[in-house]
Amino acid sequence: QVQLVQSGSELKKPGASVKVSCKASGYTFTSYAMNWVRQAPGQGLEWMGWINTNTGNPTYAQGFKGRFVFSLDTSVSTAYLQISSLKAEDTAVYFCARESGSYYSYWGQGTLVTVSS
Amino acid sequence: DIVMTQSPASLAVSLGERATINCKSSQSVLYSSNNKNYLAWYQQKPGQPPKLLIYWASTRESGVPDRFSGSGSGTDFTLTISSLQAEDVAVYYCQQYYNTPHTFGQGTKLEIK
Repeated sequence: QVQLVQSGSELKKPGASVKVSCKASGYTFTSYAMNWVRQAPGQGLEWMGWINTNTGNPTYAQGFKGRFVFSLDTSVSTAYLQISSLKAEDTAVYFCARESGSYYSYWGQGTLVTVSS
Repeated sequence: DIVMTQSPASLAVSLGERATINCKSSQSVLYSSNNKNYLAWYQQKPGQPPKLLIYWASTRESGVPDRFSGSGSGTDFTLTISSLQAEDVAVYYCQQYYNTPHTFGQGTKLEIK
């Protein structure tokens, strides 16, 4: 069965960096795009962008250009989200979500990133 | 960007009664070449990731109870729960995947009256 398993919660200081992983199993990793979605505390869902798992080409939503980087390691079927120069407002749960015909059939469990001094 | 607007923001319905959630897109999400509406509905319970309920505006995901149904076309869509169960308490989101950014509605919180 398809599974997306994300790395655990992170507590970081402002200015630090964090790398969140999303390990896929149960399907051919390079056959489906991977999206990233942010959910700030008590807020709704915000699409961050996606990465073509075949080419490695990322696309970022407007508010996620610069400090956010999507990457892959296809040898271990894993997608990554790296955030640099962390700010308090980056505190959120970050989800990876696999596309199936463009809608998102499968989601990771979410990774809470807390930015606090 | 396509703006997705849900209504109401919150809703309280008695067990066994019908719940209706609306979603309006700022431009059509109907792709004329295949006549498909690029609109999905998700359910999110506290502490959990969103769960896909409906895609192509009206196709129920495998395993989703048939009390959930989606309708609409173009810019106006509806998620209906025909007979509310206690386990349906959640926040519901619509999302368009017609083009990027794949924008979500702001969510509708569904509670038991």
